[in-house]
Amino acid sequence: SAVISQKPSRDICQRGTSLTIQCQVDSQVTMMFWYRQQPGQSLTLIATANQGSEATYESGFVIDKFPISRPNLTFSTLTVSNMSPEDSSIYLCSVLKRSGQVVEAFFGQGTRLTVV
Amino acid sequence: AQSVSQHNHHVILSEAASLELGCNYSYGGTVNLFWYVQYPGQHLQLLLKYFSGDPLVKGIKGFEAEFIKSKFSFNLRKPSVQWSDTAEYFCAVSNNAGNMLTFGGGTRLMVKP
Repeated sequence: SAVISQKPSRDICQRGTSLTIQCQVDSQVTMMFWYRQQPGQSLTLIATANQGSEATYESGFVIDKFPISRPNLTFSTLTVSNMSPEDSSIYLCSVLKRSGQVVEAFFGQGTRLTVV
Repeated sequence: AQSVSQHNHHVILSEAASLELGCNYSYGGTVNLFWYVQYPGQHLQLLLKYFSGDPLVKGIKGFEAEFIKSKFSFNLRKPSVQWSDTAEYFCAVSNNAGNMLTFGGGTRLMVKP
């Protein structure tokens, strides 16, 4: 299993500012995933964070808006830059862990962001 | 690329009614399948998962799901819903390489007391 500590759990931010979200995993993982869940929507993958290389962004998400750091195998940060009210969402980090043939997903508690 | 479809976006049931939520996926390889639940104002919780073996999987709170490989489906069922089952339900698929997890669009279930 994996335990993921994500912080902050929630924040209210002014438009134009930036917020950095942190995720700490209790074991080493190759890839960490960052998701966004907008109000009333499903989870959308923002990017995959790989240790030692640049993150891979999904269509519609760019590094300038969502810079990601992955300094080691247990930690990652996602920054939401130059925020606008449209960025109000829940942001989640996730890892996939394999045990033999079993692959399971684990999630952080989420960060509920409100931009005013 | 893999994709997941949940055809029921909103479902309204009375207590004690039976529930079945559809989930279909598209992916050519071996998959791992999940159902998550998100209660109002809370975070995702894993309901059940399928990796291999018996295609009928039992999860928490009386939920079960059946993997039908020929139909690329993993439908969630519960024989008798309760008001406390009001939540949003997400089907998700990961590939066997463990480098991708894709969510369906979610189904919002409301159970009337």
